[in-house]
Amino acid sequence: GQNIDQPTEMTATEGAIVQINCTYQTSGFNGLFWYQQHAGEAPTFLSYNVLDGLEEKGRFSSFLSRSKGYSYLLLKELQMKDSASYLCAVKGGGADGLTFGKGTHLIIQP
Amino acid sequence: DGGITQSPKYLFRKEGQNVTLSCEQNLNHDAMYWYRQDPGQGLRLIYYSQIVNDFQKGDIAEGYSVSREKKESFPLTVTSAQKNPTAFYLCASSIGPRVLGNQPQHFGDGTRLSIL
Repeated sequence: GQNIDQPTEMTATEGAIVQINCTYQTSGFNGLFWYQQHAGEAPTFLSYNVLDGLEEKGRFSSFLSRSKGYSYLLLKELQMKDSASYLCAVKGGGADGLTFGKGTHLIIQP
Repeated sequence: DGGITQSPKYLFRKEGQNVTLSCEQNLNHDAMYWYRQDPGQGLRLIYYSQIVNDFQKGDIAEGYSVSREKKESFPLTVTSAQKNPTAFYLCASSIGPRVLGNQPQHFGDGTRLSIL
């Protein structure tokens, strides 16, 4: 079966750093994706990890440990516009779509 | 500009009625997907298609049907057999089997379906 867990909600302060964790148990693994979704809008692609380690892209970084079934998304220098849901998704071994976690609702406070 | 277009943005269905959600992409992607999103739930896969004239059931296909007659188009029909159709429906596409590795799915803006 497929199972992806991430916290339901997190709160952080403008200008600070926040880490959103994701653990997964899937049959097969062909990569882990992070998406950002503002309320009522489409998810937008943030990052992709398939090998262990850290991928950095501007203020956002994503880490993967395949042996632990674990990933995190790190957001630095938080801005109010970063208030959104962050979705962790795994590409399994088949040809089908992604398996998504329920998303983490991130609230940024002034 | 290349992208994925879903229409309509809002749709209302009467009891016993079938409705069709449109999804068109001009990204030259082979693979297309339909997801359903409910409050407090992750996106769940309804149907997917890796190539024209072929499609497969996802995790929650009951009460839905699709067609893939053209590469650019992947319409979803919500039939009267779907007893709880109220949700936010998202269409996505990716490059497909031609490319291995990083294949992010690009999403349309979604259609919000409600029952009258």
